[in-house]
Amino acid sequence: QSVLTQPPSVSGAPGQRVTISCTGSSSNIGAGYAVHWYQQLPGTAPKLLIYVNTNRPSGVPDRFSGSKSGTSASLAITGLQAEDEAYYYCQSYDSSLSGSVFGAGTKLTVL
Amino acid sequence: QITVKESGPTLVKPTQTLTVTCALSGLSLSTNGVGVGWIRQPPGKALEWLALIYWDDDKYYRPSLKSRLTITKDTSKNQVVLAMTNMDPVDTATYYCAHRMVEASGAFDIWGQGTMVTVSS
Repeated sequence: QSVLTQPPSVSGAPGQRVTISCTGSSSNIGAGYAVHWYQQLPGTAPKLLIYVNTNRPSGVPDRFSGSKSGTSASLAITGLQAEDEAYYYCQSYDSSLSGSVFGAGTKLTVL
Repeated sequence: QITVKESGPTLVKPTQTLTVTCALSGLSLSTNGVGVGWIRQPPGKALEWLALIYWDDDKYYRPSLKSRLTITKDTSKNQVVLAMTNMDPVDTATYYCAHRMVEASGAFDIWGQGTMVTVSS
C-alpha cells in the first residue's frame, strides 16, 4: 500500500476536463517535498508529465497541468483526447521512508 | 539527446542474484549533478523506487530492500549496475533505469524501455 493515495480510476468524455488527486501526509507532500507526475501508456515506460508540482517538460502539451496544496497534489487534463487513456502516477519524497515514493496509479479511461 | 537502456537476464531462479545494467548515452556519468535511478514495476502493479546513484558515487537505497541491493557505476563504460541478491518470485517485475533530472527534486525525465525479469525455478 502506497503512502501516496490516488483514485484507482477516473474517466471522462473527449474534450472534457478531468483531475487526478494524490494525497500524502506530513512526511512527504505536506513536508514540502515536490510532486512529479508520470503518464504510462500500455506496454510502455513511464513518461514525465509534470515536475516539481507545476512544471511541464518540453513537448508536454499545456493541456496537462499540476498543482499542490497542503498534503495533496493534483493533475488536471483539459480537452481530453483518446490518446490520453493511460495510467498516471504521482511521485514524491518521504522522509519517514528516506526515499522516493510513487502513488499506486490511476487509470484514465476516455469514454 | 540523453538515452538510457537496460539489459539483463529475463529469467532468474529463486535465491539467485539478479544483475541488471543501465547504459547511459548522451551524457557522462562523471558530469556534475548526474544521477541515475532504478525503479521496478511488477506486472499490473505500481512503480517502486529501488536505488539511486550520483556522479560523485553517493548512493541511496529503498530502506526495505537495502540489505539486498547494491548499485554501482562504471564511468569508463558509462554504465550503472544494480545487483539484487536472494531473488524471490515476488521480485518478478520490469526493471527500469532512469535519469534523474538535475535540480528537479527527484524527478526522472529519461526512462529506458525496461527489462522484464521473471523469478522462477
